[in-house]
Amino acid sequence: KAGVTQTPRYLIKTRGQQVTLSCSPISGHRSVSWYQQTPGQGLQFLFEYFSETQRNKGNFPGRFSGRQFSNSRSEMNVSTLELGDSALYLCASSLGGTEDSPLHFGNGTRLTVT
Amino acid sequence: DQQVKQNSPSLSVQEGRISILNCDYTNSMFDYFLWYKKYPAEGPTFLISISSIKDKNEDGRFTVFLNKSAKHLSLHIVPSQPGDSAVYFCAAKGLSGGYQKVTFGTGTKLQVIP
Repeated sequence: KAGVTQTPRYLIKTRGQQVTLSCSPISGHRSVSWYQQTPGQGLQFLFEYFSETQRNKGNFPGRFSGRQFSNSRSEMNVSTLELGDSALYLCASSLGGTEDSPLHFGNGTRLTVT
Repeated sequence: DQQVKQNSPSLSVQEGRISILNCDYTNSMFDYFLWYKKYPAEGPTFLISISSIKDKNEDGRFTVFLNKSAKHLSLHIVPSQPGDSAVYFCAAKGLSGGYQKVTFGTGTKLQVIP
């Protein structure tokens, strides 16, 4: 079974630009969550999508948004990029029901804002 | 408010000895706990989990202990191997806004010395 796939692996953008990151979950997984990892801050929760609906959101500004498609693939968008947005963005998928099941992560997209 | 805390940013252990990684949490609604291992340039990999109805779960060299009264969990690795050198994240899952949400600690970097 293929794992979680994130594209692209690396991105370099300029302040003020916008960026879209893509995530394909494990087949059969209906939940996709996004996390931001920066040095010393661990993994900060951005949002979670389940069946094309955002059902949970972290404490990030409205410049960070996402969506999920009918095939469970998800995209995350960041508008008006700031230097502080430079980070590793991780996508994770899970079955998404009430069961205790772990998140499975992709290898992330490394975003650098200059 | 950091609800999941890993107070040791780093840990060094000799090969063959026991590694003990610690994690504290504050939210009594957390009911499922997980440990992940992360190598540089890769996404976190699920290691082991424990439900709040248990106090111990073992999988090969990895054992997780949960002390609910102290809101503390630990990961024991015995014997430690050089390939275990990585960053370890503790995570806790609990109800937030009516849905399960996973909160991560800031990580502990383990170095196993040959």
